[in-house]
Amino acid sequence: EPEVTQTPSHQVTQMGQEVILRCVPISNHLYFYWYRQILGQKVEFLVSFYNNEISEKSEIFDDQFSVERPDGSNFTLKIRSTKLEDSAMYFCASSVAGATSGANVLTFGAGSRLTVL
Amino acid sequence: GDSVTQMEGPVTLSEEACLTINCTYTATGYPSLFWYVQYPGEGLQLLLKATKADDKGSNKGFEATYRKETTSFHLEKGSVQVSDSAVYFCALSSYYNQGGKLIFGQGTELSVKP
Repeated sequence: EPEVTQTPSHQVTQMGQEVILRCVPISNHLYFYWYRQILGQKVEFLVSFYNNEISEKSEIFDDQFSVERPDGSNFTLKIRSTKLEDSAMYFCASSVAGATSGANVLTFGAGSRLTVL
Repeated sequence: GDSVTQMEGPVTLSEEACLTINCTYTATGYPSLFWYVQYPGEGLQLLLKATKADDKGSNKGFEATYRKETTSFHLEKGSVQVSDSAVYFCALSSYYNQGGKLIFGQGTELSVKP
């Protein structure tokens, strides 16, 4: 079964450092997402991406975050200058269609755990 | 704005017990509703979904019925197994949100003892 793959599975970084989390969505999917889950809390939406641009972002997704689809397969989340509160599990997801399909089913990766010291 | 509220966990049950995890939502219009499951050390997996009122989603013995009148989508299973131990997330997707994002509840941890 097709799957979304994420790397690294765990990254430890110092506060203020830049981090890039990588995702390979399912090949025929057109919509891409990043979510995060702070330990013990809700899964929170960060950003959605379609047709090489951001289609929606949450208030969490401030200027220190950026996303990119540098080639036909990867989808990356960059955190420019990490803060302690960025420590979380970051999930990438993709879907073949958007909300207008009637039942937008997202396929999630296993997550990248980011620990900021 | 749109939101999802789930019952607090953790929920601890013995094998073969009945399970109900409550989920209620607030949304503009008629959202699609989902249950996702997260097994230990893994990502989120779609368990079941329903796209309109009175639809029943089902998978692996789990069921949930989209109740518009009570804005609910409770997850049920008649007989749980140890392998069902996981965190369960209720979520909605709004038709009006063109980006197609999911809004999640806080998750309910289920632990099934032999």
